[in-house]
Amino acid sequence: QKEVEQNSGPLSVPEGAIASLNCTYSDRVSQSFFWYRQYSGKSPELIMSIYSNGDKEDGRFTAQLNKASQYVSLLIRDSQPSDSATYLCAVNRGKLIFGQGTELSVKP
Amino acid sequence: EAQVTQNPRYLITVTGKKLTVTCSQNMNHEYMSWYRQDPGLGLRQIYYSMNVEVTDKGDVPEGYKVSRKEKRNFPLILESPSPNQTSLYFCASRSAPGGTNEKLFFGSGTQLSVL
Repeated sequence: QKEVEQNSGPLSVPEGAIASLNCTYSDRVSQSFFWYRQYSGKSPELIMSIYSNGDKEDGRFTAQLNKASQYVSLLIRDSQPSDSATYLCAVNRGKLIFGQGTELSVKP
Repeated sequence: EAQVTQNPRYLITVTGKKLTVTCSQNMNHEYMSWYRQDPGLGLRQIYYSMNVEVTDKGDVPEGYKVSRKEKRNFPLILESPSPNQTSLYFCASRSAPGGTNEKLFFGSGTQLSVL
């Protein structure tokens, strides 16, 4: 089992819809979790971090963490074509462990 | 401007010819790291450094060397590159782990092709 797993996609949603990206992790002691966005040919950039169970909202983005079930998700409301990118889940276990990324395509 | 500067952006070389990819940050970060990114495998850590003269292996260190003689610089050295090291490489830095600010700052990447 990979330490951090994501659906590789591609995930395609119409403009204005909610995009849901999921990530599971194997180590229960992990305490902090991150979502990075990576546009094609560019470097990753941090968009969300979450440390406690529950939801954390930032604009159109909501991160959800469930430590008991060992998953973290990212919801993007009112998806825009500019959200088309690869989204990387990362888990901090003293060092960041990245998932393989989920490619999101938002169709106009 | 706070940034991580990585050079070169693109590099094509031949098997066995030593090369160095440079990385420099201007944020006085203690922690620096090198990753490689391959399709379907995500970002995998090669080496990292917690501070000057302190380096450690990541998940895929074979065939790579690093050094941390100064806080701002963390070069990646391939002594004898092989085709399986063809990849997209990223340098990254952040302030000391364990703090509240755990954001990684990435360089712009180096696309390496080893023929």
